[in-house]
This record gives sequence, C-alpha cells and structure tokens, in this order.
Amino acid sequence: AQTVTQSQPEMSVQEAETVTLSCTYDTSESNYYLFWYKQPPSRQMILVIRQEAYKQQNATENRFSVNFQKAAKSFSLKISDSQLGDTAMYFCAFMKRSWNGGTSYGKLTFGQGTILTVHP
Amino acid sequence: EAGVAQSPRYKIIEKRQSVAFWCNPISGHATLYWYQQILGQGPKLLIQFQNNGVVDDSQLPKDRFSAERLKGVDSTLKIQPAKLEDSAVYLCASSLHTGSYEQYFGPGTRLTVT
Repeated sequence: AQTVTQSQPEMSVQEAETVTLSCTYDTSESNYYLFWYKQPPSRQMILVIRQEAYKQQNATENRFSVNFQKAAKSFSLKISDSQLGDTAMYFCAFMKRSWNGGTSYGKLTFGQGTILTVHP
Repeated sequence: EAGVAQSPRYKIIEKRQSVAFWCNPISGHATLYWYQQILGQGPKLLIQFQNNGVVDDSQLPKDRFSAERLKGVDSTLKIQPAKLEDSAVYLCASSLHTGSYEQYFGPGTRLTVT
C-alpha cells in the first residue's frame, strides 16, 4: 500500500516571502502521479499542481513549483511571493492506476496535511 | 459552471442513530467519490462510482456505511448506526471520468456524533 508523509504539521511565512512544504511517499509503483491540494478555511479543496512520475521536469504553475526527486521519493512544494490568500491546509497526494475488470481508475492517497499561515 | 453540491453542511446526531448525506456532482462528471476526513488527517477514500457502478469500495465499512448512485448523477452516503468515531467531515468529489487526474471537491458535511 502507498503511504504519503508530510512531516511539517504547521508552517508560517511572511507575506511576499518563499516557503517550501515537504512531502515524502512510499511506493513500489513506477508509474504514478503526485499532487498538491489546497484546502482553505472554507474547506473546499482545490488542486494546486500536478506531477507525472515519468516526467523529469518539475511542474510549475505561476507562483507554485515542485521539486520532484523520484529516487528519494520526495515531492516538495515551493510557494514564491506568498500571499495572504495562500493561508490554508496543504495536502500532498499520490495517485496510481488500478484496474477493476476492464476499467482503469485512479485512487488518491493523501498525506496528513500542513497548515500554512501567511502573515502580513 | 456550478460546483459540487453537498447537503447538509452540518449534522449532529447521537450514537446509534442513522444519518444520510447527499451529493450532486458537476454536470457531466461520470465519476463520483466519497471521502472521510477526520480532524487533523487527510481525506480517506470511502467509495468511488463510475456512473451508477461501484469502482472501488475497499475502504468502506460495509457493516454500517452504504452509498448509492442509482441514476448515475447524484449520490447518497448513509451511516447506520453511527459511532463516535464516525465524527468527521464527509467530502464528495467528482471528475469527468475514472481516468481524470483532477477531482473537484464539494464543501463537505461536518458530522458530529455525540
């Protein structure tokens, strides 16, 4: 079974600074996907960024970027120019492809989350 | 485009009572997921539907939890009878199909069992 570990229960950063959230995972799969999801205090979870394991290039979405180290099974999220609206719980998640009969489907496994607070 | 809708937003019940949660996915999304998120933990998948068929329910406690998506659109998750440890937020999510990477989450239902 896959496990996802986020070792930082809480992080804080000043507005406009950079912060990095850590994530490690354990799997024997070679093909999989990694995600960072954001859950603001209103509790509606949204996707921040996605990384395919077969891609060596790190994914980037505006101020959000990842450092994907496949051999080390590490997947960290860097937030540049932090904004007050970035305050949220951040979840690292792992997805592998499974089969049920003739249907391929993805199953998400989440880490425990990191609460990020951006201070003005 | 309307998002994933869930109701009720909050529910308080006593142990051994039953409760039901409702979810309406984004229009056109074939895949629907129910997650349980216990305070301080990440969401855990309970059941995944593709249209009206179950794709994965390996983590659903079937002795007390049940879910259905009879017409392949909205879905109901039921707990009967509830235990104290069922206190959690129940999140519904949907995606275009089972092969989709991105899941869209609803606001959740916060259940408190006393």
